Amino acid sequence: QSVLTQPPSVSAAPGQKVTISCSGSGSNLGTDYVSWYQQLPGTAPKLLIYENNKRPSGIPDRFSGSKSGTSATLVITGLQTGDEADYYCAIWNSSLDTWMFAGGTKLAVL
Amino acid sequence: EVQLVQSGAEVKKPGESLRISCKGSGYRFASYWITWVRQMPGKGLEWIALIDPSDSYVNYSPSFQGHVTVSADKSISTAYLQWSSLKASDTAMYYCARHVRDCGRGSCYDWLDSWGQGTLVTVSS
Repeated sequence: QSVLTQPPSVSAAPGQKVTISCSGSGSNLGTDYVSWYQQLPGTAPKLLIYENNKRPSGIPDRFSGSKSGTSATLVITGLQTGDEADYYCAIWNSSLDTWMFAGGTKLAVL
Repeated sequence: EVQLVQSGAEVKKPGESLRISCKGSGYRFASYWITWVRQMPGKGLEWIALIDPSDSYVNYSPSFQGHVTVSADKSISTAYLQWSSLKASDTAMYYCARHVRDCGRGSCYDWLDSWGQGTLVTVSS
C-alpha cells in the first residue's frame, strides 16, 4: 500500500485536457519534491516532470506539473492517442533515503 | 548520451540464484546513484534499493531487505541486483534508473532521469 495515492484510471478525448492527481501527507508530499514518469505500453518508464514542475528537454509543454500542500497534479493538454500510458508520481524521502511511488494512473485517450 | 543497458531476460527455477546487471555509459558512473525498481505483471512500480557506486553505500526498501543484494563495480560502470534463492513471486520486470541529485540552490532536488530497458525475470518450476 503506497503512501501516495493516484486515481487508477482517467480518460479523455483526443485534443482535450486531463489532470492526474497525486495525494500524500504532510510528511511526504508536504515537504518533498515530486517527479512524474510516463510508461508507454511495453516500455520502461520515462521522466516527464521533476522538481514538481520542470520538464526535461524533449518533453513537450503539453505536459505540466504543479504541487500545492500535500497534493500534486500532472496536466496533459491537447491529448494525443500516443499519450495512452501509465503515469506515476514519485517522491524522494531524503530523511529515509527511499523512493516512494504511487500506484499509477492508466490514461485512456478515447 | 546517458544510457543504462540491462542484461537480458532470465528464466529460473525456484531456489536458484541469479544476478542481473545494469551498465551505465555516457556519464561518470560513480557520480550518480543507481536505483532498482520492480514491476510485477500488470502492477505498478516498487522501489527496491539504491546504491552509490562511489562507495557502495546501499539502502534497501524494508519490503526487499534480506531477499536481494545490490552491488556495483565502478571500474566497469555496472550495478547488479542479485538473489540467492529465487521464489515464484520474484517473477517481474526489473528496472535500473539513474538518480540525479541537485543540491545547488539551497535545497536538494531528486529525480530518476534515465532508465534501463528492463530485465524480465521469470521464476517457474
